Amino acid sequence: SQTIHQWPATLVQPVGSPLSLECTVEGTSNPNLYWYRQAAGRGLQLLFYSVGIGQISSEVPQNLSASRPQDRQFILSSKKLLLSDSGFYLCAWSGRNYGYTFGSGTRLTVV
Amino acid sequence: AQTVTQSQPEMSVQEAETVTLSCTYDTSENNYYLFWYKQPPSRQMILVIRQEAYKQQNATENRFSVNFQKAAKSFSLKISDSQLGDTAMYFCAFMTLKGTSYGKLTFGQGTILTVHP
Repeated sequence: SQTIHQWPATLVQPVGSPLSLECTVEGTSNPNLYWYRQAAGRGLQLLFYSVGIGQISSEVPQNLSASRPQDRQFILSSKKLLLSDSGFYLCAWSGRNYGYTFGSGTRLTVV
Repeated sequence: AQTVTQSQPEMSVQEAETVTLSCTYDTSENNYYLFWYKQPPSRQMILVIRQEAYKQQNATENRFSVNFQKAAKSFSLKISDSQLGDTAMYFCAFMTLKGTSYGKLTFGQGTILTVHP
C-alpha cells in the first residue's frame, strides 16, 4: 500500500534561518507531488508541484523553493525565513486515480 | 483560473441529524473532478467523497452524499445521521484536467462543522 511520510511535525524557527521540510512516498512510482500551505486554519494554497524528478512548478512567487532529488522525495526549502512563512505545510501525492493522499503536515512557526 | 467558494464559514448540527454543506465553483472546463475533504482537529486531510464531472449520478459514500449540479456549478455535501466524529473542517476542491495544470487541486476556504450531542 502507498504511504506518505512528512517531517518534522512541528518546527519553530527564528526569522532569517533556513528551512528544510521533507516528504517521501512509498509504494508507488512516478507520483505527482505537491506542497500546500494552510494559513490561519483556512484554505489550502498550492505552492509547488512536481510531475517528475527535477521538474518543479511554482504557483506563487515567494521566499520558498522546492526540489525533487529522487522520484519519491520532495523537499521544501528556504534560505531565510520570514514571519509570513509561518503556517501549516502539507505534502501530497496523486496517482492515476486522481486521488490525493496528504501527509500529516508540518506546523511551522517563525519567531 | 478556477475558483471554489464555500459560503458557510461555520455550521452546526445535532447528533443524528442531517446537514448540507454548500460549494460552488467557476470553470470553463467540461471535464474535471470535484472532491470533499475533511480535516479534523488532528489536521490530517481525509478524502470524503469524489465526483467525476462526466457522471450524472451523484456520488455516495455511506452517510455522505453529494448533490452535483453541473450547469449551476454547484457541489453540495450532505451528511446524514451526523456523528460526533464528523466534527471537522470540510473543504470542497476542484481538480482541473486541462493542459499544464492537469491534476492540480483548488480548494475552497472551508466550512467548520460542529456536531453537538
